[in-house]
Amino acid sequence: AQSVTQLDSQVPVFEEAPVELRCNYSSSVSVYLFWYVQYPNQGLQLLLKYLSGSTLVKGINGFEAEFNKSQTSFHLRKPSVHISDTAEYFCAVKGNTDKLIFGTGTRLQVFP
Amino acid sequence: DAGVIQSPRHEVTEMGQEVTLRCKPISGHDYLFWYRQTMMRGLELLIYFNNNVPIDDSGMPEDRFSAKMPNASFSTLKIQPSEPRDSAVYFCASSSLAGTTQYFGPGTRLTVL
Repeated sequence: AQSVTQLDSQVPVFEEAPVELRCNYSSSVSVYLFWYVQYPNQGLQLLLKYLSGSTLVKGINGFEAEFNKSQTSFHLRKPSVHISDTAEYFCAVKGNTDKLIFGTGTRLQVFP
Repeated sequence: DAGVIQSPRHEVTEMGQEVTLRCKPISGHDYLFWYRQTMMRGLELLIYFNNNVPIDDSGMPEDRFSAKMPNASFSTLKIQPSEPRDSAVYFCASSSLAGTTQYFGPGTRLTVL
């Protein structure tokens, strides 16, 4: 079975500062990894995904994530955040089943 | 493509009433997933279908919940009778057989009074 841990429930940051949202996973099989973003009163939108190949994955809105197999991590980063990045971010893992296992989410709050 | 479509977007009902939520997946997608999101429990997978067949309903909380997918372009999630603790946002998502990305609908916010 797979599991996902997002250690930070909330991350406050000032506009134009860098940010890292942490995600660790547990799995006995190879995995695919995803980051989704949820803006208020909306559904989840895919930010980026790691399926194979390069461990550095670039997504939409300037976000990127790095797959680290030895650390079982898939942290999300952005070098300079905007007010509009304020949202809930979910890390998810897919193993050898059809299911996505989601973390509990990290609320990113960007202040002016 | 219009994306995953859900209706209604908001539903307010009284305890004991039947509630039906609807979902139209992205055309050509073979998988359909129903999720529930609450503050307390986060995002929970309720049930998913492959080629209109229910594959795993282990997340369905009780017999009051049922889901159907009569054809490739339509699915329903029904709660009968509804209870206040069913209040949540219900999401539908779909994915293709070959792909691994799930595409989510905008959700239905259900309030049971």
